[in-house]
Amino acid sequence: KAGVTQTPRYLIKTRGQQVTLSCSPISGHRSVSWYQQTPGQGLQFLFEYFSETQRNKGNFPGRFSGRQFSNSRSEMNVSTLELGDSALYLCASSLVGGRAAVPDTQYFGPGTRLTVL
Amino acid sequence: GQQLNQSPQSMFIQEGEDVSMNCTSSSIFNTWLWYKQDPGEGPVLLIALYKAGELTSNGRLTAQFGITRKDSFLNISASIPSDVGIYFCAGQLGAGANNLFFGTGTRLTVIP
Repeated sequence: KAGVTQTPRYLIKTRGQQVTLSCSPISGHRSVSWYQQTPGQGLQFLFEYFSETQRNKGNFPGRFSGRQFSNSRSEMNVSTLELGDSALYLCASSLVGGRAAVPDTQYFGPGTRLTVL
Repeated sequence: GQQLNQSPQSMFIQEGEDVSMNCTSSSIFNTWLWYKQDPGEGPVLLIALYKAGELTSNGRLTAQFGITRKDSFLNISASIPSDVGIYFCAGQLGAGANNLFFGTGTRLTVIP
């Protein structure tokens, strides 16, 4: 089974621009979550989608948004980029999606390294 | 969010040595996970623990879910150079990605 895939792997943008990152979950996984990883803050949860609906949201400003498509693929968008948005953005998929007794273990993709200049 | 204290922060060991790292929290978790992350890559799941007291192995890796449900440890036996990376623990309170909390990581360096 193919793992979680993310595109692009690397991205360089300038302040004020916007960016869209893409994630394809493991086949059969319906839940997709996004995380921001920085050296200073570690792994921080952005949001989680299940069946095209945002289920949970972390403590990030409204410039960070996402969506999920009917095939479970997901995109996240960051508008009006700031220098502090430079980070590794990780996508993770899980089988269950938060509404069952079975633990929904997260499987991560390789990430998109975003650099804001 | 929940705070997971992971120690040590970094380790330098000789190839062939055993490694032990642990994760503690003031909160109870229902699931403990251990991930390894290589530079520029995403975390890769090593071991998942679902019951207090559970001891699980994956090759040279062994992890345990603490009886109090507030801690977990990971052991690596007979380390090899490809064990180099950052190891993260994660505790899960319940269903949903918002209930998954990560430790600060242990950076492992293996000296050949």
